[in-house]
Amino acid sequence: SAVISQKPSRDICQRGTSLTIQCQVDSQVTMMFWYRQQPGQSLTLIATANQGSEATYESGFVIDKFPISRPNLTFSTLTVSNMSPEDSSIYLCSVEDRGQGGNTDTQYFGPGTRLTVL
Amino acid sequence: GQQVMQIPQYQHVQEGEDFTTYCNSSTTLSNIQWYKQRPGGHPVFLIQLVKSGEVKKQKRLTFQFGEAKKNSSLHITATQTTDVGTYFCAGVFLGGTSYGKLTFGQGTILTVHP
Repeated sequence: SAVISQKPSRDICQRGTSLTIQCQVDSQVTMMFWYRQQPGQSLTLIATANQGSEATYESGFVIDKFPISRPNLTFSTLTVSNMSPEDSSIYLCSVEDRGQGGNTDTQYFGPGTRLTVL
Repeated sequence: GQQVMQIPQYQHVQEGEDFTTYCNSSTTLSNIQWYKQRPGGHPVFLIQLVKSGEVKKQKRLTFQFGEAKKNSSLHITATQTTDVGTYFCAGVFLGGTSYGKLTFGQGTILTVHP
């Protein structure tokens, strides 16, 4: 499976500021995803990051608040803009592993970025 | 939107007891996957079920996929303290608003008392 790293691992930020989270994969992958996990909650998909095209956002998430870049097949960034305390969460990137059969669509997660907004 | 419901939310067991968590979907799934998240960690892929009625085992863990591909369960036999964590199911729907994406259940938090 792919090895995924994220930076920063954690951060404490002031409201109104922005934070950019980086996700690096050790192999080329087609699909990368960004999730949010609020304290004690499940994972909610923010958007799918596609190389060479605009990210696809889920209901309730917008590009102005969560701009995403995907410059190549091994890297993506998620920016949390104009932060408020409600944005305090763990942000996780994941990649899809299509396996040998080409259709397994299992996902492997990075270690996450723990964000606290004061 | 399409949802995956998971119960129970919490389960506390004595070491050696069995544990089961259940997931249900309102519509047919293409496949369902199970993940484990240790406290302070990130979700780790355990298994994927694709076929109707499929049963897979990993040591003390048994995973089942319902005949209608709408429900699934994870059963742990004789729990150990290393089983502590949150277990998530995640479904991939056929068509609809969640097509091709993982939709996570709410998770079951398992604690094991030694």
